[in-house]
Amino acid sequence: GNSVTQMEGPVTLSEEAFLTINCTYTATGYPSLFWYVQYPGEGLQLLLKATKADDKGSNKGFEATYRKETTSFHLEKGSVQVSDSAVYFCALTNQAGTALIFGKGTTLSVSS
Amino acid sequence: NAGVTQTPKFQVLKTGQSMTLQCAQDMNHNSMYWYRQDPGMGLRLIYYSASEGTTDKGEVPNGYNVSRLNKREFSLRLESAAPSQTSVYLCASSEPGYEQYFGPGTRLTVT
Repeated sequence: GNSVTQMEGPVTLSEEAFLTINCTYTATGYPSLFWYVQYPGEGLQLLLKATKADDKGSNKGFEATYRKETTSFHLEKGSVQVSDSAVYFCALTNQAGTALIFGKGTTLSVSS
Repeated sequence: NAGVTQTPKFQVLKTGQSMTLQCAQDMNHNSMYWYRQDPGMGLRLIYYSASEGTTDKGEVPNGYNVSRLNKREFSLRLESAAPSQTSVYLCASSEPGYEQYFGPGTRLTVT
């Protein structure tokens, strides 16, 4: 079945640093890909998504491109802020298209 | 428009006790999901309901039961709680295959 692997954290950065969180997947067919974010004490919320190869999802300065040739969906941001400190989850649709499969999450901590 | 709501927010149970976690959504979504979130394990799907009247097992269904009461509501029941079920329980809804919308979670401790 479909699966997703994301880099383990924690990731610790200084404010204004460049961020990359790696996410790779294994899938049959053409799954949709997602990044979710969980801020401290809050529920998960969708950060961005891409539904087909070469699509770029973007939101709040974060970007990720659906790369079919490398089966990747890496999350990037050019200049992180303290307020970006959170847990980030990569996810994809399962083979049947009925549910999402989540990675284990990457904790990002940004200091000023 | 409340989105996805969950009750209770916190709960402490003794081993062997039972309880039902409630979830409701007002987005008219067909599909609903229950996950558990544990440190280092990410989110693991317990059960899901692709549409009203159907339920299916996810990755970790043992020790749980669910009921899709109507299109809005999807409850999760622990019949005999065990310490291994200490976790944060997240409910979500979506149209099948699309992004999921999550509730705030229920933090359950079993002693």
